[in-house]
Amino acid sequence: QKEVEQDPGPLSVPEGAIVSLNCTYSNSAFQYFMWYRQYSRKGPELLMYTYSSGNKEDGRFTAQVDKSSKYISLFIRDSQPSDSATYLCAMTLRLGGATNKLIFGTGTLLAVQP
Amino acid sequence: NAGVMQNPRHLVRRRGQEARLRCSPMKGHSHVYWYRQLPEEGLKFMVYLQKENIIDESGMPKERFSAEFPKEGPSILRIQQVVRGDSAAYFCASSPQPNTEAFFGQGTRLTVV
Repeated sequence: QKEVEQDPGPLSVPEGAIVSLNCTYSNSAFQYFMWYRQYSRKGPELLMYTYSSGNKEDGRFTAQVDKSSKYISLFIRDSQPSDSATYLCAMTLRLGGATNKLIFGTGTLLAVQP
Repeated sequence: NAGVMQNPRHLVRRRGQEARLRCSPMKGHSHVYWYRQLPEEGLKFMVYLQKENIIDESGMPKERFSAEFPKEGPSILRIQQVVRGDSAAYFCASSPQPNTEAFFGQGTRLTVV
């Protein structure tokens, strides 16, 4: 079993739709959770960062963490064609943990159709 | 404040040659991470370095791969005697503290022919 599972998609939605992207994880020691956006042939760009259960909102993006279910989500409201990219979830151990590496999901390819 | 700078952006090597990938972290960041991304796969951690120290190299292949982050200059990921399976995108990231936001460079795409 992979430490982080993410549906690879592709996910195709019409412009203006609400998009839901999800990851599950198996290691309950993960404490920090991130969402990255990666355009084709570019580096990952940090979108959201959170370390607690609950919701965190930033503009059209909302990150949700449910540590009891080991489940994280990213919601995109009013999706735009410019949101078309691969979305990667990532997580890591708490500060001071034995390792400082990010564990990534495989990414979900999103296409927003105009 | 410039972002994480990687060079070259594209690198072509013949089998058996050496590949050197460079990464200059963001200003004020002393923690550097290298990741490899194979087609259709997510990013895989390779190595975590601080200045002059390798902290975690659990993701590095045991042979042919090495990394350094000297006191002065960029971090270097070195691949000796490259094989076709080394063809991938190699990304560097940096952060001001461990286990905090890591910012990625644009990557170096290595092609072994």
